[in-house]
Amino acid sequence: GAVVSQHPSRVICKSGTSVKIECRSLDFQATTMFWYRQFPKQSLMLMATSNEGSKATYEQGVEKDKFLINHASLTLSTLTVTSAHPEDSSFYICSAFPGQGDYGYTFGSGTRLTVV
Amino acid sequence: GDSVTQMEGPVTLSEEAFLTINCTYTATGYPSLFWYVQYPGEGLQLLLKATKADDKGSNKGFEATYRKETTSFHLEKGSVQVSDSAVYFCALDFQGGKLIFGQGTELSVKP
Repeated sequence: GAVVSQHPSRVICKSGTSVKIECRSLDFQATTMFWYRQFPKQSLMLMATSNEGSKATYEQGVEKDKFLINHASLTLSTLTVTSAHPEDSSFYICSAFPGQGDYGYTFGSGTRLTVV
Repeated sequence: GDSVTQMEGPVTLSEEAFLTINCTYTATGYPSLFWYVQYPGEGLQLLLKATKADDKGSNKGFEATYRKETTSFHLEKGSVQVSDSAVYFCALDFQGGKLIFGQGTELSVKP
């Protein structure tokens, strides 16, 4: 089946540093991937849509300079949280759509980011 | 705009009890509907889906029927197990790529 691998699963960083999260589609090509953010005991909020070979599309209220997205290949999208602050601490999840024949988005296992 | 509303949790049940988690949606058109499950510390897993009115999605004993007349997609299971303890999310996809999630319902099943 379609598998999305997300790495790292947990990361702790100091305020002011940058953190990169990777999202890989292991057995399918994904021209589009999605990045979500989840606050404790809350729902997932779409942050941005990552498009291979072009700029990401950000949702309203999401700082594109803070959350840099790069989708350089058909199997890899990265989210970089720049100059991280404690309020950026959250659970970040990526997803991808395998394509025709399986109408269901496959999610990565998520990344727990803690900024100290 | 499009939205999904779920019943609030947490829901606490005894093993083998009947489960219903209500989900209603608002959408201008005919979205596809999904239930996802999230186990502690993990990402989301697709539980079941329905792509058109009157479709019934089912998986692992869970069922949900796409009701256009009531704009609902309630999740049911006849006999829950401790291993079903998780957070359940109802979602719709109308724009061909952007999933819109409900707020999630935490289920806790006690032995």
